[in-house]
Amino acid sequence: DVLMTQTPVSLPVSLGGQVSISCRSSQSLVHSDGNTYLHWYLQKPGQSPQLLIYRVSNRFSGVPDRFSGSGSGTDFTLKISRVEPEDLGVYYCLQSTHFPYTFGAGTKLELK
Amino acid sequence: QVTLKESGPGMLQPSKTLSLTCSFSGFSLSTSGMVVSWIRQPSGKSLEWLAAIDWDGDKYYNPSLKSRLTVSKDTSNTQVFLKITSVDIADTATYYCARSIYYYSSYDFDYWGQGVMVTVSS
Repeated sequence: DVLMTQTPVSLPVSLGGQVSISCRSSQSLVHSDGNTYLHWYLQKPGQSPQLLIYRVSNRFSGVPDRFSGSGSGTDFTLKISRVEPEDLGVYYCLQSTHFPYTFGAGTKLELK
Repeated sequence: QVTLKESGPGMLQPSKTLSLTCSFSGFSLSTSGMVVSWIRQPSGKSLEWLAAIDWDGDKYYNPSLKSRLTVSKDTSNTQVFLKITSVDIADTATYYCARSIYYYSSYDFDYWGQGVMVTVSS
């Protein structure tokens, strides 16, 4: 299985600040069809995961432009600017290039 | 508006069979490209993809659990089911169903249910 390694595990932030979360995969996530199936989710306390970014850099419907995704191959980053209270929770990356699909262990964004 | 909702027994004993139902609206699983998956999350831990069924009735399983999983759908294409045989304490988790739409060869999970908590205990 593809191992997804997220860093850091915990990320203290001040409201209004900017943060980056890293996600590295044990294999390239470039599919033979040319697409890279790397996605980002936010799970707020007591809620289901919600899709933020799909296929590396595409914001899902309703996701503010404070969220941006980048990366290629095995190295990906989620950036959050002007952090707001509703951004707090656990962020997960997901790869759906290789079967079985696998998630990272999560990065907890919390207030300093 | 896409919505999904999971239902299940809440608690069951080790060695029994867990049966889960995902009821959804706002889309039809008979539409080309549609997929419904099951994903679980033990308390305080990360997420594990378990199984999926697509619009054509093709089924996909996580190899680590494949021998114990069965995914199916109803003929009206508004419900998906998951059965897990021979459960043990390690199967205690919140189980989610999620919708996907194929893009070329794969997909993300764009809409999720609220999850159903399942506890395996004697």
